[in-house]
Amino acid sequence: QIQLVQSGPELKKPGETVKISCKASGYTFTNYGMNWVKQAPGKGLKWMGWINTYTGEPTYADDFKGRFAFSLETSASTAYLQINNLKNEDTATYFCARWATMITDYWGQGTTLTVSS
Amino acid sequence: DIQMTQSPASLSASVGETVTITCRASENIYSYLAWYQQKQGKSPQLLVYNAKTLAEGVPSRFSGSGSGTQFSLKINSLQPEDFGSYYCQHHYGTPPTFGGGTKLEIK
Repeated sequence: QIQLVQSGPELKKPGETVKISCKASGYTFTNYGMNWVKQAPGKGLKWMGWINTYTGEPTYADDFKGRFAFSLETSASTAYLQINNLKNEDTATYFCARWATMITDYWGQGTTLTVSS
Repeated sequence: DIQMTQSPASLSASVGETVTITCRASENIYSYLAWYQQKQGKSPQLLVYNAKTLAEGVPSRFSGSGSGTQFSLKINSLQPEDFGSYYCQHHYGTPPTFGGGTKLEIK
């Protein structure tokens, strides 16, 4: 069955860097894009962007340009989200989600990031 | 960017009732709309895509309708497992923005 398994919760200080992983199984990794979605505590869903898993080309939503980076380890069917120079407002749950012809069909379980001094 | 406006923001209903959630797009998105259910502490689950196509395994008490800028998700005969938050999202290009969400609570 199709699964997206994300790395565990993270506690970081402002200014640090975090890298969240999302390991896919049950399908051909390079046949589907991978979205990243942010959900701040008690808030709604916000699309961060996506990465083309065939070419490796990332696309970032406007609010996520600069400190955010999507990457791949295709041989391990794994996508990564890296956030540099962490800020308090990065505290959120981050989801990876498979993108099938613009439809987000399978989601990871989410990774909770807490940024606090 | 296309803005998605959901209403109501919250809704209280009883088991067995029928409820409808609406979503309005700021411009024509044809039928490129999806609905998700999210339970507390869990990841969202796809319910409907292309405005009215049920995702695999979704019970038939859920139905989606609409096109253009006005859409709705109807849940017939609410079950206890249906309570949670619901989000619409357009899938007509990028960015695929989400609505603000509707929290469905037990009355």
